[in-house]
Amino acid sequence: GENVEQHPSTLSVQEGDSAVIKCTYSDSASNYFPWYKQELGKRPQLIIDIRSNVGEKKDQRIAVTLNKTAKHFSLHITETQPEDSAVYFCAASYDSWGKLQFGAGTQVVVTP
Amino acid sequence: DTAVSQTPKYLVTQMGNDKSIKCEQNLGHDTMYWYKQDSKKFLKIMFSYNNKELIINETVPNRFSPKSPDKAHLNLHINSLELGDSAVYFCASSSLEGISYEQYFGPGTRLTVT
Repeated sequence: GENVEQHPSTLSVQEGDSAVIKCTYSDSASNYFPWYKQELGKRPQLIIDIRSNVGEKKDQRIAVTLNKTAKHFSLHITETQPEDSAVYFCAASYDSWGKLQFGAGTQVVVTP
Repeated sequence: DTAVSQTPKYLVTQMGNDKSIKCEQNLGHDTMYWYKQDSKKFLKIMFSYNNKELIINETVPNRFSPKSPDKAHLNLHINSLELGDSAVYFCASSSLEGISYEQYFGPGTRLTVT
């Protein structure tokens, strides 16, 4: 089955700096890669996703890149703000039933 | 106008008891999921139903039994609760027929087994 590894497990950044989270996946058949943000005590919410036929996608201050050959994808957050503090999860999906394999999560702390 | 709702939000019970968690979505989605999030925040899929049919059944103890009476509802019944069942359980839904693969999560049910 699919295995997703996520690094780092914690990330502390100064407000205004950039944050990068990296994930690798094992199954080359994976074709959908979402990123979820989970604030303390809240539900995970999708912030951006990318499909295997696209190499990069951007939405305001967040962007995701995908390298299918190396089987890794990354989340980039620019101009970080305190409200970006949360746990971020990457995930990969390879089957038509929408089964997501999540990474272990990255705790991002943005300090003013 | 909550998209995915779960009840109860908190559940505290003793070992050996049986409990149920209910989930409802009003998004018109055809697929619903149960996830378990442990104390280390790891999110793991447990079950999934598509149009009331079980499509994903991960390696979960058979004390856990999901049931989908219709496309908008997915319940989780847990028998003989154990300490290790303590976790936050999230319900989610998505549409496998649409363009977006996004899964919408419910608010979670925090289960504490004492």
